[in-house]
Amino acid sequence: EIVLTQSPGTLSLSPGERATLSCRASQSVPRNCLAWYQQKVGQAPRLLFYGVSTRPTGIPDRFSGSGSGTDFTLTITGLEPEDYAVYHCQQYVTSPWTFGQGTKVEIK
Amino acid sequence: EVQLVESGGGLVQPGGSLRLSCAASEFTFSTYSIHWVRQAPGKGLEFVSGISRDGGTTSYANSVKGRFIVSRDNSKNTAYLQMGTLRVEDMGLYYCATAGRDFWSGLNQYWGQGTLVTVSS
Repeated sequence: EIVLTQSPGTLSLSPGERATLSCRASQSVPRNCLAWYQQKVGQAPRLLFYGVSTRPTGIPDRFSGSGSGTDFTLTITGLEPEDYAVYHCQQYVTSPWTFGQGTKVEIK
Repeated sequence: EVQLVESGGGLVQPGGSLRLSCAASEFTFSTYSIHWVRQAPGKGLEFVSGISRDGGTTSYANSVKGRFIVSRDNSKNTAYLQMGTLRVEDMGLYYCATAGRDFWSGLNQYWGQGTLVTVSS
């Protein structure tokens, strides 16, 4: 099983600041099948990226994904009020498909 | 717009059973694998179970293997999760989500709003 570890657990930032979230895998994620989801309070997760850096339609370009192998990063350039949420990474290529424990981005 | 609506959650005693349903609309249900993903209060997401497009292939997390059974009825656009011998640690919000056309792609593009399972005496 691929274990995903996200850091930090909580990120306290002001609007307009840059957020950098990390997701580290216990072994290389094949074919870079790494996704990110955004989850706001009381809502279901929303797909933010797949294939490390591909944004589905409708995801703003202030969000970017990068990385390969075992180290992946989600960056939000210029936090907007609607970006405060919990972010989860997931590897979706090897069963059991696994998620990280999440990083909460909160208002400072 | 793709819609997934879960139902069947509720309060159950340890050792009890529940059957969750996931009703799909506004897309061709039979073209997607379906996953069940749960979230314990204040915790992260955890894959629970998955079923292929035709129902012929299934997968379970080790924590539920032998206790939960996933199924689907494509004629009713509905997936099910039969949960048995429930434990306190099974408590949480259960989401159904679409997964890949290829069963072994676990990317969850669309999600329902979840149904809450509470296990308590």
